[in-house]
Order: sequence, then structure tokens, then C-alpha cells
Amino acid sequence: GENVEQHPSTLSVQEGDSAVIKCTYSDSASNYFPWYKQELGKRPQLIIDIRSNVGEKKDQRIAVTLNKTAKHFSLHITETQPEDSAVYFCAASISGGSQGNLIFGKGTKLSVKP
Amino acid sequence: GAGVSQTPSNKVTEKGKYVELRCDPISGHTALYWYRQSLGQGPEFLIYFQGTGAADDSGLPNDRFFAVRPEGSVSTLKIQRTERGDSAVYLCASSLSSLDSQYFGPGTRLLVL
Repeated sequence: GENVEQHPSTLSVQEGDSAVIKCTYSDSASNYFPWYKQELGKRPQLIIDIRSNVGEKKDQRIAVTLNKTAKHFSLHITETQPEDSAVYFCAASISGGSQGNLIFGKGTKLSVKP
Repeated sequence: GAGVSQTPSNKVTEKGKYVELRCDPISGHTALYWYRQSLGQGPEFLIYFQGTGAADDSGLPNDRFFAVRPEGSVSTLKIQRTERGDSAVYLCASSLSSLDSQYFGPGTRLLVL
């Protein structure tokens, strides 16, 4: 089955710097890759997602890149702010099939220092 | 519009008891997923409903866990003979279809004493 590895497990940056979180997946059939932000005690919140027919997607300060050949995808946050501090999870799935469930990485705890 | 809701928000029970956890998906969402999240971990898949039927229940850890979605909307996750290892946050997510993004509820924090 699918396995998703996420690095780093913790990341500390200064406000205004960029943050990059990387994930690799094992199942070449996976075609959908969302990123979730989870603040302490709150629900995972979808912040951006990408499908396998696209190499890059951007939404304001957040971007995601996908390399299907290498089976890895990354989250890029520019001009980080203290409110970006949270745990970020990447996930992979085979969208539209009889499965569709997300396989998550173990998370990255991002701390943005003012 | 209203997001995914879950009740109760917290549930404390004793080992061996039976519990029911409820999920109200976003209106019109046909796909519904249950996940379990332990402290410091990512959510782990339990079961996926497409409409009223369980399309994939391969994540249920054992036969003490069961879930239903009789009318294709609200879903109930049922856990029999609870064990201390069942303690976790149980998350529900829904999507318009299996092709669409999943949106999570706030979760039910289950503590088995």
C-alpha cells in the first residue's frame, strides 16, 4: 500500500523567511496530493492541493510542487508570519477510485519566530 | 455554509464500554471518511462511505469497530468493548465526491479509562 514520508519533523524559521516541507510517496498510482494545516486542538484545514497532471500550483504565499518521476512533492511558504505556526501534514491518495482515502505523513511542526 | 460537525466533542468512557461517535457531513457531500489521529501522528484512515455503502473498510483495526451511514448523510462510528488503546481523536471528513477535496470536522476526543 501507499506510504508517505515527510521531512523535516520540526522546522523553525524567522518571520519573513521561507519554509519548505518535503514529502515522498511510494505508490505511483497516487494522483492527488493535499496539504493540511492543523493548529493545536483544531481540525486539519486544507490549505492547498495538487493533482498529478499539474507540476506546480500557487495560492498567495503558499505553493506546492510535484515531481511524479521522483515521487515527491513539496510545500513552500514564503514571507512566513507567526500565524503560520502549526503542524503541517502532506497526504496522498488515488482519487476517484474505490479507495480515495488519504494516506498522511507524520507531520511537520512549523514555528515562526517574530 | 456549515462545515462538517461531530458530536460529542469529548467522550470519556471506561474500558469495556460501548461508544457511538456521530458525524454530520457538509450538505450534499456523497463521500464520507473516518480517520483516527493519535497524539503526534497524522490521521489514519478507518473507513470510507460512498452514499450509504461502505466502499472501503480496510482501515478498521478489528471487528470491535463498525460504522453506518443509513441515509447517505449522517454517519455513526461504533466501538464495542472499548480498550485503552482506542483513545485518540476520531476525525470525520466529507467530500462532494471521491474526486474532490476532503474537509474535516473538529473531531471527537475519545478517552478510555
